[in-house]
Amino acid sequence: GNSVTQMEGPVTLSEEAFLTINCTYTATGYPSLFWYVQYPGEGLQLLLKATKADDKGSNKGFEATYRKETTSFHLEKGSVQVSDSAVYFCALSDQGYSTLTFGKGTMLLVSP
Amino acid sequence: NAGVMQNPRHLVRRRGQEARLRCSPMKGHSHVYWYRQLPEEGLKFMVYLQKENIIDESGMPKERFSAEFPKEGPSILRIQQVVRGDSAAYFCASSPISGEGPYNEQFFGPGTRLTVL
Repeated sequence: GNSVTQMEGPVTLSEEAFLTINCTYTATGYPSLFWYVQYPGEGLQLLLKATKADDKGSNKGFEATYRKETTSFHLEKGSVQVSDSAVYFCALSDQGYSTLTFGKGTMLLVSP
Repeated sequence: NAGVMQNPRHLVRRRGQEARLRCSPMKGHSHVYWYRQLPEEGLKFMVYLQKENIIDESGMPKERFSAEFPKEGPSILRIQQVVRGDSAAYFCASSPISGEGPYNEQFFGPGTRLTVL
């Protein structure tokens, strides 16, 4: 079956530090990959996505590249802000099928 | 365009009671998904519905849980005879009839946090 593994948190950084949150996956098919963000008390918001190998998703300074050879989709940001503090979820969806398989989430805490 | 709405946001039930969670999808969306987030866990898929049809309920427990999405009104996730292990955050997501590529982006609601005493 499908599964997603992401690094455990919390990840604690100072403002303007570089961020990496690792995500690897197992899938039977050729999935689409996603990062979602959840701010306190809110639902999940799609942050970025990639649908095929070597695609790079990007949004709000965050980037992730679909690496089929290493089955990874690591999230990066060059300079984090306090407002980036949230829980980040890596997820996948089988091609042609809509339901999402999520990782456990990684909490990011950014201090001024 | 209002986002996905869920109510109540917080629900407290005693063991053996029934819990009803409601989800109103975004306007124009006809696909609804329910996910459950247990403490310290990621979201787990429960059920996928279209108007008046259950498309995939492979993630839903066989007993005590049911879901519907009627022609009119919100989608309802119903849990009968709740137990402490049902305490979790329940998220609903909706997607439009069609979207780019093979994937229709899912828009999530704020969740209902169920506590069973």
